[in-house]
Amino acid sequence: EPEVTQTPSHQVTQMGQEVILRCVPISNHLYFYWYRQILGQKVEFLVSFYNNEISEKSEIFDDQFSVERPDGSNFTLKIRSTKLEDSAMYFCASRGRTSGSLDAQYFGPGTRLTVL
Amino acid sequence: GQQLNQSPQSMFIQEGEDVSMNCTSSSIFNTWLWYKQDPGEGPVLLIALYKAGELTSNGRLTAQFGITRKDSFLNISASIPSDVGIYFCAGQQGHGGNQFYFGTGTSLTVIP
Repeated sequence: EPEVTQTPSHQVTQMGQEVILRCVPISNHLYFYWYRQILGQKVEFLVSFYNNEISEKSEIFDDQFSVERPDGSNFTLKIRSTKLEDSAMYFCASRGRTSGSLDAQYFGPGTRLTVL
Repeated sequence: GQQLNQSPQSMFIQEGEDVSMNCTSSSIFNTWLWYKQDPGEGPVLLIALYKAGELTSNGRLTAQFGITRKDSFLNISASIPSDVGIYFCAGQQGHGGNQFYFGTGTSLTVIP
C-alpha cells in the first residue's frame, strides 16, 4: 500500500542552524502538508501546498520556514535559523489523487527535531 | 484557530469492553477524520467521513459525522490490548488543501 515517507527520522541540530526535513508524498497525490507536534500535545498545522504554491499557512509558519517541491516526488520543509522551541515531531501528509477528490489525508512517520 | 474538543481526555477500560469518544466544535466542518497515534509514530488514519449523518465502519470501529456538522463520534467495540493509543479527530472546514484542525486527543488504555 502506498505510504508517505520522511527522512531523517531524527535530526539533532544546534540553535541557529538551518535544517531541511524531507518527505516523499504518496504518488499522484496533489495536496501536501506539514504539521508539527510538540511532545504530549496535539498536532498543529503549519502549511499546505498545492500546484507548486502555498495554499494556506498558520501563524507558526513565519519567515523562518519555507517549503519546496524541488522535483516530482520530494516535498521539503526548511527552517532557516532553528530555535529551541522548534523542537518537535514534524509530520508530512498528503491527500487526493485528483483535484477536488475526497481522498483522505495520510501521514508520514515523522521527523523528530531536537534543537540544542 | 478552531478548537476541537475531545472527550473523554483519557479512558481506562477492561479488554472486551466497548469504547465511545467524541469530538465537538463550535464551528461547522465538511470533513471529519479519525486517527490513532502510537508513541513516537505518525497518526494512522482509521476512518474518513464526508457527509453529515454519515455512519462508517472499519472492522470494530464505527464513526459518525454529526447531523449538525459540529461533532463526530468514534466507537470501538470489543476492545483488545492493541487498541491502546491516542485517538485524534481532525476536521476540515474547506476542501482540498485547506488545513485540518486536530482535536486534543483521547488516550485509551486497555487492561487485559
